[in-house]
Amino acid sequence: SQQGEEDPQALSIQEGENATMNCSYKTSINNLQWYRQNSGRGLVHLILIRSNEREKHSGRLRVTLDTSKKSSSLLITASRAADTASYFCATDANRDKLVFGAGTILRVKS
Amino acid sequence: KAGVTQTPRYLIKTRGQQVTLSCSPISGHRSVSWYQQTPGQGLQFLFEYFSETQRNKGNFPGRFSGRQFSNSRSEMNVSTLELGDSALYLCASSLVPDAYGYTFGSGTRLTVV
Repeated sequence: SQQGEEDPQALSIQEGENATMNCSYKTSINNLQWYRQNSGRGLVHLILIRSNEREKHSGRLRVTLDTSKKSSSLLITASRAADTASYFCATDANRDKLVFGAGTILRVKS
Repeated sequence: KAGVTQTPRYLIKTRGQQVTLSCSPISGHRSVSWYQQTPGQGLQFLFEYFSETQRNKGNFPGRFSGRQFSNSRSEMNVSTLELGDSALYLCASSLVPDAYGYTFGSGTRLTVV
C-alpha cells in the first residue's frame, strides 16, 4: 500500500487563487518531497523538507511538515493555468526508495 | 546540463515478449531508480541502483530485472510480458540516494497487446 495519501483527490480553482494540498503518511520519515506531473509525463521535483524542518518556501510554494501528525501540506499561491498538473508527495520511509501517494489533480481555470 | 534521458518514449509489445528500457542519468549522478506508474496502482518503486549495485528492490515478480553500467546508465528488462505490465515506466537519478530529491525522465510508455 502507498505510504502517502493526498487530500483532496482533485481540486479546481480560478487563476490567482491559492491551492492547498495535504499529504498524510504512516511511518517515520527522514524527509518528504513534493513532485509535479504534467499529463502523464515525468515528475518534476518541487521541494524537499527534512524531518527536522517545519516549513519551507520556494517561490510561490510553501510546504509545511508536522511529524507529530505525520502530515504535510503544499500551498501554491497566486495559481496560474500552468500550475495545472498532478501533485504527489513522496516519503523515504524505506531507505533508497520513494513511496508515493496517489496524488492530487489540480486544475487552474483561466 | 542534459536531463535524464529515457528511451524509447513509446513501445508496443505483444504478450509473452520481452522488453528492455534504457535510462541515461544526469552526468555525475550515480543513483538510478525505476518506477512503474499505472492508473490503478499509482507510482510503484521497482528498483534502485547505486554504483552498479542494486540497493533496493520493490515488490515485483522476477520477470522485472535491471542493471547499471559503469557509466551509470541503467536498463530494465521485463520478460514474458503480460497485459498488466502496460504502464509508464519512469527513471529517476540523483547524485547520491535520497539526499536532495530526484530528477525524473519523461518516461517510457509501454503498451502490451
